[in-house]
Amino acid sequence: QKEVEQNSGPLSVPEGAIASLNCTYSDRGSQSFFWYRQYSGKSPELIMSIYSNGDKEDGRFTAQLNKASQYVSLLIRDSQPSDSATYLCAVPENAVNNRKLIWGLGTSLAVNP
Amino acid sequence: GAVVSQHPSWVICKSGTSVKIECRSLDFQATTMFWYRQFPKQSLMLMATSNEGSKATYEQGVEKDKFLINHASLTLSTLTVTSAHPEDSSFYICSARRLAGPIETQYFGPGTRLLVL
Repeated sequence: QKEVEQNSGPLSVPEGAIASLNCTYSDRGSQSFFWYRQYSGKSPELIMSIYSNGDKEDGRFTAQLNKASQYVSLLIRDSQPSDSATYLCAVPENAVNNRKLIWGLGTSLAVNP
Repeated sequence: GAVVSQHPSWVICKSGTSVKIECRSLDFQATTMFWYRQFPKQSLMLMATSNEGSKATYEQGVEKDKFLINHASLTLSTLTVTSAHPEDSSFYICSARRLAGPIETQYFGPGTRLLVL
């Protein structure tokens, strides 16, 4: 059974700080990784995707991938109260067809003004 | 780009009626769409994978005769909750898989809230 694990939190950080969210996965063959943000009562929205080892930056967000250690992280710089949400890590099932996503349970982030 | 819409955004119905939810990819073609359900304070639960031109693949424990899925075109999938009951009240969310070369990404619709009285 392929798994994606995240700390449920809540992770609480002060406004302006760096929030660090972590995710580990069980399938060594996984090639792509996704971070979604879900506000309460809303559907998930894609924040970042990453495929290669190392860092990928997009504005205040940085995704870090380490395939050898099987973890992917999301850093949010200069955290804002509007970043308060649940962050979901997802990895596609390694199959030719019907590549559904295997989801972590999400980490709840609270950014305090 | 990569916009997915759902209609309706919310629906209230009486027990025993059927409800149809539409999911459309507005600016890309999606051979595969996914239907999720989410109860309050709980995780996303994948219900089924919808493939254009073929039968949907349902997750274990999801009744295919109760949740009818039709993916008749590359931009439209529908979920019909048949004979809905109060326990079917939930937040139903679709996503569409977009392929850009070897890279594939799922984009979500805004969701449909169903309340069965």
